[in-house]
Amino acid sequence: EAGVAQSPRYKIIEKRQSVAFWCNPISGHATLYWYQQILGQGPKLLIQFQNNGVVDDSQLPKDRFSAERLKGVDSTLKIQPAKLEDSAVYLCASSLERVSTEQFFGPGTRLTVL
Amino acid sequence: AQTVTQSQPEMSVQEAETVTLSCTYDTSESDYYLFWYKQPPSRQMILVIRQEAYKQQNATENRFSVNFQKAAKSFSLKISDSQLGDAAMYFCAYRNNSGGGADGLTFGKGTHLIIQP
Repeated sequence: EAGVAQSPRYKIIEKRQSVAFWCNPISGHATLYWYQQILGQGPKLLIQFQNNGVVDDSQLPKDRFSAERLKGVDSTLKIQPAKLEDSAVYLCASSLERVSTEQFFGPGTRLTVL
Repeated sequence: AQTVTQSQPEMSVQEAETVTLSCTYDTSESDYYLFWYKQPPSRQMILVIRQEAYKQQNATENRFSVNFQKAAKSFSLKISDSQLGDAAMYFCAYRNNSGGGADGLTFGKGTHLIIQP
């Protein structure tokens, strides 16, 4: 069974530029999560989707971050415009359903904002 | 809001020895899950062990076991017979199980585990 796929693995941009990350969850997984992991910290949930609907985006900085999950499968997280403090690893995770006990994580995208 | 605290930024242990990583959490909920995740340099988060709050018996997975003290809101991880491959960042995480709302994980800051050969 293929795991959670993410791309790109690395991205370097200048501040005020835009960037997008892509996530393909495990086939059949209805729930998808985006986490932000700043260096030296644990991951922080940004947004949770159930199929193509948003369950929780309370910690998403909506003035610059947006995310979508069209057709309830792949998801895209966008930052526009990026700030220096957005430098982090962005992790995508999926689970079979919302009450599933295990979330499976992708390898993450490391973003560096200069 | 729930919080998870890991007070040991770094731990070191000799290969084949036993090490215990500490975690405390704060929540007003009664039904929840606790997890330990391992994150090697490759960044891939790997589930090590999970504990359901309503189960009194401590979870065990091969060389990994937990000491779950619900009243004290403590959830420590014991690694027996430490191996070089155990070297990684270890994160304690909490997940609400109310069933009706968001169930994203709340993580601690992590403990960097070093295995001395």
